Amino acid sequence: DIQMTQSPSSLSASVGDRVTISCRTSQSIGGYLNWYQLKPGKAPRLLIFVASNLQSGVPGRFSGSVSGTDFTLTISPLQPEDFATYYCQQAYETPYTFGQGTKVEI
Amino acid sequence: QVQLQESGPGLVKPSETLSLTCTVSGGSMNNYYWNWIRQSPEKGLEWIGYMYYSGRTNYNPSLMSRVSISIDTSNNQFSLNLRSVTAADTAMYYCVRLFSSGGSRFDNWGQGLLVTVSS
Repeated sequence: DIQMTQSPSSLSASVGDRVTISCRTSQSIGGYLNWYQLKPGKAPRLLIFVASNLQSGVPGRFSGSVSGTDFTLTISPLQPEDFATYYCQQAYETPYTFGQGTKVEI
Repeated sequence: QVQLQESGPGLVKPSETLSLTCTVSGGSMNNYYWNWIRQSPEKGLEWIGYMYYSGRTNYNPSLMSRVSISIDTSNNQFSLNLRSVTAADTAMYYCVRLFSSGGSRFDNWGQGLLVTVSS
């Protein structure tokens, strides 16, 4: 299985900040990485697909980038509704695997 | 916008079979892959498997011996059966649509159903 190493596991930030979350894969995945936002009691939400493509309806303050096997999710500027947990996921091959999550809190 | 809703028992006894159903509304099931994903504190997010609308399946090898997914496109539903459950199967279970054109991604999720395995 492809291993996903996501960091940090949590971070504290303020409204208006620039936040970056990293995800490293154990092998090359051709850019096939997605990012999701999870909030308690709500359906998880796809933010970014294939490393840098913004899902329809997602605000432009979310962006993704890739360099080799290192992927980054950036949120700028952070808004109150962005406090949540974020996960990366490789879509290169099955079994699909996820990072361990990054909780963004105040 | 398509919506997915999980249903089923929230409590299952050890060694029994966990059975969940997902109802899809607001769109067709054709040309998509229909997945189950679970989340637990111990394992994080874990992909269980999918069934394509035509019936082809793909399961996580870690669960393959105990899992089956079925689909009923006439009623816009798909289901999960997980046999011989233990406490390790306690998790939030999500039904999820996979969109596969231009790179696969889970683009629509249900809200999740918490299932506890306990006697």
